[in-house]
Amino acid sequence: SAVISQKPSRDICQRGTSLTIQCQVDSQVTMMFWYRQQPGQSLTLIATANQGSEATYESGFVIDKFPISRPNLTFSTLTVSNMSPEDSSIYLCSVALFSYNEQFFGPGTRLTVL
Amino acid sequence: ELKVEQNPLFLSMQEGKNYTIYCNYSTTSDRLYWYRQDPGKSLESLFVLLSNGAVKQEGRLMASLDTKARLSTLHITAAVHDLSATYFCAAGTDYGGSQGNLIFGKGTKLSVKP
Repeated sequence: SAVISQKPSRDICQRGTSLTIQCQVDSQVTMMFWYRQQPGQSLTLIATANQGSEATYESGFVIDKFPISRPNLTFSTLTVSNMSPEDSSIYLCSVALFSYNEQFFGPGTRLTVL
Repeated sequence: ELKVEQNPLFLSMQEGKNYTIYCNYSTTSDRLYWYRQDPGKSLESLFVLLSNGAVKQEGRLMASLDTKARLSTLHITAAVHDLSATYFCAAGTDYGGSQGNLIFGKGTKLSVKP
């Protein structure tokens, strides 16, 4: 399996500011994904982050708002830019382990924007 | 476009009773996942189903997959309070021949009462 850590675990931010969320995996993985879970809702994919290439964003999510970095096979960051209260959500990173046919999720970052 | 529908969305059960959660998906997928989420927590992987007719069991939970009907079920046997949580099914996509992201159902909020 994969052990995934995220920082911060939670934060309360002011409108108009930005927050960078870090995701660290204990093994090298090709595919990393960033999801958003709004309060009481299901998970929605923000983007797929492959090492060495630009992130691929889903409809409704843009790079200017959610820039992603993937500098190596164990680490990624997601920035939530120019935040508004509508960005209040749990942000989760996930990795796919081909050998296990499984996808594992980090503990999540609970973001509240005032 | 792959879509996943889950029902029921809310389920209130008495301890000791049996029930089934249904998960339909709209197009071909070769991987079907079940996750559990407790309030304020991340997702815990329960089952990964990879082939038609696959059945997996863990304790009071049993999951099955019918790829022809594009249907997966999660059966709960003799429910206990500890099973109270939200259960998500998700179908896997492909990304250039590798594991792609997951498409999630809306989740079933299960409450088991004495």
